[in-house]
Amino acid sequence: SQQGEEDPQALSIQEGENATMNCSYKTSINNLQWYRQNSGRGLVHLILIRSNEREKHSGRLRVTLDTSKKSSSLLITASRAADTASYFCATLSSGNTPLVFGKGTRLSVIA
Amino acid sequence: GAGVSQSPSNKVTEKGKDVELRCDPISGHTALYWYRQSLGQGLEFLIYFQGNSAPDKSGLPSDRFSAERTGGSVSTLTIQRTQQEDSAVYLCASSSKKFAEQYFGPGTRLTVT
Repeated sequence: SQQGEEDPQALSIQEGENATMNCSYKTSINNLQWYRQNSGRGLVHLILIRSNEREKHSGRLRVTLDTSKKSSSLLITASRAADTASYFCATLSSGNTPLVFGKGTRLSVIA
Repeated sequence: GAGVSQSPSNKVTEKGKDVELRCDPISGHTALYWYRQSLGQGLEFLIYFQGNSAPDKSGLPSDRFSAERTGGSVSTLTIQRTQQEDSAVYLCASSSKKFAEQYFGPGTRLTVT
C-alpha cells in the first residue's frame, strides 16, 4: 500500500488564494519530500523536510511535519495560475526502502 | 550541467514485443531509480541502483521486467513480451546520495497496442 497519502485528491482555487495539501504516512521516516508534476511528465523537487524538523519555508511554499501524527502539509501562498499541477509527497524511511510516493493532489488555480 | 535525460520520449509497440528504455542520470549521481506512472496515478517504484551495491529490485512487477546500470552511469530498463497493462509513463530519477532529493527525467510514454 502507499506510504504517503495526499488529501484532497483534487483542489480548485482562485488565483491569489492559499492552497493547502496534506499528506499522511504510516511508518517512521528519515525525511519527507514534496514534488510537483506538470502534464504527467517529469517531477520537480520542491522541498525536503527532515524528521527532526517541524517547519520549512521556500519562497511561497511552507511545509510542516508532525511526526507524532505522521502527517505533513504543503501550503502555497498567493497562488498563481502557473501553480496548476499535481503535487506529490514522498517519504524516505530510515532503512533501505526506496522513496515512496503518494497518488498526489491535483491543484487547479483559476485566473 | 545537464539534467536527467530519457529516451525515447514516446514508444509505441505491439503486444508481445520487447522494448528498451534508456536513462542518462546526472553526472556524478550514484543513485538511480526507475518508476512507473499509469494515467492519473502516483508513482510506482520499480528498481533502485546505489553505487556498486546490488540493485533493489523489489518493485519489479514481473520477471518480464529487468534493468541494468552500466559503469555506474547509464541505465536501461527492458520489458520483454510487452502486455497492454505495461502502457504507462516510465520515469527515471537520480540523486547524489540515498537520502537526498531526486531529479527526474521527462519520462518515456510507452503505449502497447
